Amino acid sequence: EAQVTQNPRYLITVTGKKLTVTCSQNMNHEYMSWYRQDPGLGLRQIYYSMNVEVTDKGDVPEGYKVSRKEKRNFPLILESPSPNQTSLYFCASSFGGSRNEQYFGPGTRLTVT
Amino acid sequence: GDSVTQMEGPVTLSEEAFLTINCTYTATGYPSLFWYVQYPGEGLQLLLKATKADDKGSNKGFEATYRKETTSFHLEKGSVQVSDSAVYFCALAGGDMRFGAGTRLTVKP
Repeated sequence: EAQVTQNPRYLITVTGKKLTVTCSQNMNHEYMSWYRQDPGLGLRQIYYSMNVEVTDKGDVPEGYKVSRKEKRNFPLILESPSPNQTSLYFCASSFGGSRNEQYFGPGTRLTVT
Repeated sequence: GDSVTQMEGPVTLSEEAFLTINCTYTATGYPSLFWYVQYPGEGLQLLLKATKADDKGSNKGFEATYRKETTSFHLEKGSVQVSDSAVYFCALAGGDMRFGAGTRLTVKP
């Protein structure tokens, strides 16, 4: 089954404790992206990657890091989480870029206290 | 920069009512336009898309037409069902990827 998986689905952590949210897709997509969803703001792009070893900032990259060492994986790293990073996070992938249909993961709800 | 503005919700309709959710955009160049839908507890999934002016995207009875002259991409459905209850996002992909704030639709039997 074609899918995008994220782990964990739910996470409660404390300020400053480094965490990683994993994202994996099995569709051989070149493009992968991370978004955060906040009430009234819709989805905002954090980082995206056009292919292996190619990443770029989206609208709200501050406080986040990513890496793309393999085509299927695109982890999101919060080196020192803060309460304003409490949000619902989605990973997505597509063939060839954002102009094509993006397939979304189920989401990771992160709470930073 | 690019932006998307969509109708604020929530929207509550009775089954078989007509649905319109307005979406307007600002963009340089020629973006692709999308409607994504999010069911409770799930990620977004593509509902329909249009890639150039005057294109009409359609799926599951929903339609939207890419209007360059009015910079709009309004979502319509002639007869909604309870199963259409969800959050709908208008989005554009040009130089940047932009989503609207989302419109929550509730359809009552």
